[in-house]
Amino acid sequence: KQEVTQIPAALSVPEGENLVLNCSFTDSAIYNLQWFRQDPGKGLTSLLLIQSSQREQTSGRLNASLDKSSGRSTLYIAASQPGDSATYLCATYNKLIFGAGTRLAVHP
Amino acid sequence: EAQVTQNPRYLITVTGKKLTVTCSQNMNHEYMSWYRQDPGLGLRQIYYSMNVEVTDKGDVPEGYKVSRKEKRNFPLILESPSPNQTSLYFCASRLNTEAFFGQGTRLTVV
Repeated sequence: KQEVTQIPAALSVPEGENLVLNCSFTDSAIYNLQWFRQDPGKGLTSLLLIQSSQREQTSGRLNASLDKSSGRSTLYIAASQPGDSATYLCATYNKLIFGAGTRLAVHP
Repeated sequence: EAQVTQNPRYLITVTGKKLTVTCSQNMNHEYMSWYRQDPGLGLRQIYYSMNVEVTDKGDVPEGYKVSRKEKRNFPLILESPSPNQTSLYFCASRLNTEAFFGQGTRLTVV
């Protein structure tokens, strides 16, 4: 059974720092991996989708990498801003299995 | 605009009173699913549906029912809600490789 773990569970940083959020999974036979953002009490917003044949995806200040053989994905956030404060979730496919998330706070 | 719409957004009910949370998508996706989200546990899948009239249990199906009579709709039914079903619920639909989520339904059972 696939298990997805996200480390750290919470992170508080000053504005401007570059961040790495980690996601690990136990079953490397995944199709894709998706990173989401969730604001408090809100729905999930898709950030990046990495297909199994890809190693990374980039969108603006966000870069996500995928290493299936080691069962790991990282989300890199460059030059963090207070507006980046949210919970970040990763999920593996085919059956969408979520990690518990990393709660990020970026303070001015 | 591609959308997954859940209703209601907020619901407070009493133990044992049957309720239905609706979910509708306009993307003609075959796959739909329901999740609940609890603090520290992330999102856990309740039920999923691969297509019309095809549903299956997820990881936490106890106390829930679903139906899929048409492709666009996938309601979640709580026949006899209990306080341990107080949670934030999400409906999702997907086409192969990318999932789209509704805005969530915050349910409180007292």
